[in-house]
Amino acid sequence: DVKVTQSSRYLVKRTGEKVFLECVQDMDHENMFWYRQDPGLGLRLIYFSYDVKMKEKGDIPEGYSVSREKKERFSLILESASTNQTSMYLCASSRVGTSPTGELFFGEGSRLTVL
Amino acid sequence: KQEVTQIPAALSVPEGENLVLNCSFTDSAIYNLQWFRQDPGKGLTSLLLIQSSQREQTSGRLNASLDKSSGRSTLYIAASQPGDSATYLCAVIRSGGYNKLIFGAGTRLAVHP
Repeated sequence: DVKVTQSSRYLVKRTGEKVFLECVQDMDHENMFWYRQDPGLGLRLIYFSYDVKMKEKGDIPEGYSVSREKKERFSLILESASTNQTSMYLCASSRVGTSPTGELFFGEGSRLTVL
Repeated sequence: KQEVTQIPAALSVPEGENLVLNCSFTDSAIYNLQWFRQDPGKGLTSLLLIQSSQREQTSGRLNASLDKSSGRSTLYIAASQPGDSATYLCAVIRSGGYNKLIFGAGTRLAVHP
């Protein structure tokens, strides 16, 4: 069965702390994504990666960075957490290649609260 | 710029009803369209994926259709059950768009016994 695992379901951090959100997929997918979801704003793409060590900015990359050292793992980093980064963070993956392509699979989400 | 709209924003129906959720998009140059379900506080679960060359997909009580020329997709749920209560989101991938999905805001469905 398809599996995207986010290491932390709930986190509470202080302003200024460095935060790591980890995501692992077991489907050998090339593409991985980080979204945040906020009431009234929907899902917004932060960063995505289409290969190991490759990354591209999404719609709202400010205040975030990412790391993809291995194909199965994609990390989202908040260098200095701020209260406006309190949100639900969703990791997803998809594969490239023969049909059907582009189908996105999501993890369970990580709800981050920054105090 | 691709925009995805879902109507209605919320829907409440009695158990057993057949219902239709609507999704519209402004740019017909899409690669595929995907429907998701999201339970409160959880991630998104993929329901159906329709490739741009397809007209519909079916899974159990769910049927999704796609009309690219009019920029519309519908998700039909037959014989609704309380367990269907969730938010339903549609998303499109723009052709040549690096597999980045553009999401609608979702339809919040409540099915009451």
